[in-house]
Order: sequence, then structure tokens, then C-alpha cells
Amino acid sequence: SQQGEEDPQALSIQEGENATMNCSYKTSINNLQWYRQNSGRGLVHLILIRSNEREKHSGRLRVTLDTSKKSSSLLITASRAADTASYFCATEAGANSKLTFGKGITLSVRP
Amino acid sequence: DADVTQTPRNRITKTGKRIMLECSQTKGHDRMYWYRQDPGLGLRLIYYSFDVKDINKGEISDGYSVSRQAQAKFSLSLESAIPNQTALYFCATSDPTPPYGYTFGSGTRLTVV
Repeated sequence: SQQGEEDPQALSIQEGENATMNCSYKTSINNLQWYRQNSGRGLVHLILIRSNEREKHSGRLRVTLDTSKKSSSLLITASRAADTASYFCATEAGANSKLTFGKGITLSVRP
Repeated sequence: DADVTQTPRNRITKTGKRIMLECSQTKGHDRMYWYRQDPGLGLRLIYYSFDVKDINKGEISDGYSVSRQAQAKFSLSLESAIPNQTALYFCATSDPTPPYGYTFGSGTRLTVV
């Protein structure tokens, strides 16, 4: 069963706007990761946040983690048409490295 | 060359046929995974291997088998393909120490007719 659930399922914004995507999960985690997938292609690792971290930045990406609410958000600032893709959150829990993925968010950035 | 290479990229096969999907990686990692992606369902783990002698079932292993031929190679087989195994299949490898960031292959699109 899915651990992470992304919200919204689909998001359409204008180029230059910020995109905020949310992920909720059910059990305690070691870390939460966000991945990007261009249509029909492999997933690309974007950013990882550990359970003891609250916020991380990478370029135009900002991810937050609230372990009390079991939720995370991914913010893409100043979006570009090239950011159009599906975005997945994935959680790692327990004593091994298995990732459990959500169903993904489809982001469309209009030029 | 890509860090994780999957072959074939696309395959159409008939119901009942045996098919093997291959994966090789140049990262030198011990941990490898096979995932299946269906529209609206995200990625689900089929099998994973933490080293050459270690094979573990994932969430949806029924109807699949795997072989870890070497550290770099991890193959997924469908013994008798059925139409509901039509999906996009991904191989991945992960970093050897926490936190375990994943590197994915480009995927194999399998259609069972």
C-alpha cells in the first residue's frame, strides 16, 4: 500500500509562478525524498530531507518536513515550462533502504 | 553511458510467453530494485536485492522472478506473461549508506497482448 499521498493530483500554473505540492504519509520515517519524472522516462532524484530536518533548499526547490503532521511540501519557485513533469514523494522507513512511493502529482507549467 | 541501463526499452509479447527484462548499473552499488509503474498507482516494489546472494520479495512479487547474476546485473522475469502485467518497469540502485538516494533506469515499457 502507498505510504505517501501527494496533493493535489494535478496542478496547472503559469510560468513564473510558484508551485507547491504536498505529501502526507502514515508511519514514522527515516527520510522523505522527492523525485521528478518526465513523461514515460525514469525518475530523477530531486531532494532528500531527513526526519530530523525541517527544511532544505536546492536551487529553486524548497522542501519542508513536519513529522508531527506526517507531511511534507515541495515548493518550486519561479516555475518554468521545463518544470512540467510528474513529481513523486517517497518515504524510507525502518531498518532498510526500501522506498515507498506516492501516486504522484502532474505539474503543468504554461508558457 | 547511463548509470543504470535497462533493456529492452519497449517490448510487446503474447500472453503465456516468458520474458526477461535486464538491468545493469555502473554505480558499483550492492542494492538494486525492480519497480512497476501503472497509471494512477505510482511505483510499486516487485523485488529487491541488497547483494549478490540476497533476494527479497516486494509488495507485488506474484508472477515475477529475479536473478542477481553479478553486483552490476539484476534481471526480472515474467514466467508466463498476462495482460495485467502490461506496465512500465523500472530498475533502480541506491546508495550504500543512509540516506539511500536512488538512481533509476529509463524504464522498459512492456505490453502483453
